[in-house]
Amino acid sequence: EAEVAQSPRYKITEKSQAVAFWCDPISGHATLYWYRQILGQGPELLVQFQDESVVDDSQLPKDRFSAERLKGVDSTLKIQPAELGDSAMYLCASSFDRNYGYTFGSGTRLTVV
Amino acid sequence: SQQGEEDPQALSIQEGENATMNCSYKTSINNLQWYRQNSGRGLVHLILIRSNEREKHSGRLRVTLDTSKKSSSLLITASRAADTASYFCATAIYSGGGADGLTFGKGTHLIIQP
Repeated sequence: EAEVAQSPRYKITEKSQAVAFWCDPISGHATLYWYRQILGQGPELLVQFQDESVVDDSQLPKDRFSAERLKGVDSTLKIQPAELGDSAMYLCASSFDRNYGYTFGSGTRLTVV
Repeated sequence: SQQGEEDPQALSIQEGENATMNCSYKTSINNLQWYRQNSGRGLVHLILIRSNEREKHSGRLRVTLDTSKKSSSLLITASRAADTASYFCATAIYSGGGADGLTFGKGTHLIIQP
């Protein structure tokens, strides 16, 4: 069964350092999403891509977060500088057709110390 | 901001019993989806119900949607230990610009006692 690949699985970084997460969606899925999930909460949308274009980044803290999907396939989410409050699970999801739900990756668990 | 709110926040039942979780939301939607998340893992899509549908089934799952009350319920019949997980409802609102990201609730943590 096709999966959304994410790496790394876990990341520990010091406050003020830069950190990056990678996502490879299911082949053929034009739409890619990044979500952040704080422990005990539901995921919150950070950014949505359609192919290589950003469709929605209204909830992305742009002073420190950036996201790209240069060739419309895999994507990178970056945080610089990381803050203690950024500790969370970062989830990537992709979709072929929004009427059929999303496929999520296993996520990257970020701990900022 | 979170549009959906699940109820109860936590639910513990015996294996074999049925589990019912409820979700309420605030604004009109295009569809509502339910996801399952095992501890520390990604979310798994369970079922999607469109705003013009009232009920859908998938295996042991039954989802209802009442758009007049802005609420949905997820019923898991004949629960199994493997059903232990957190369950999230998520609403989709399609915008003209193509944005259709889901808004999730805080989830219901379901524990199935053997």
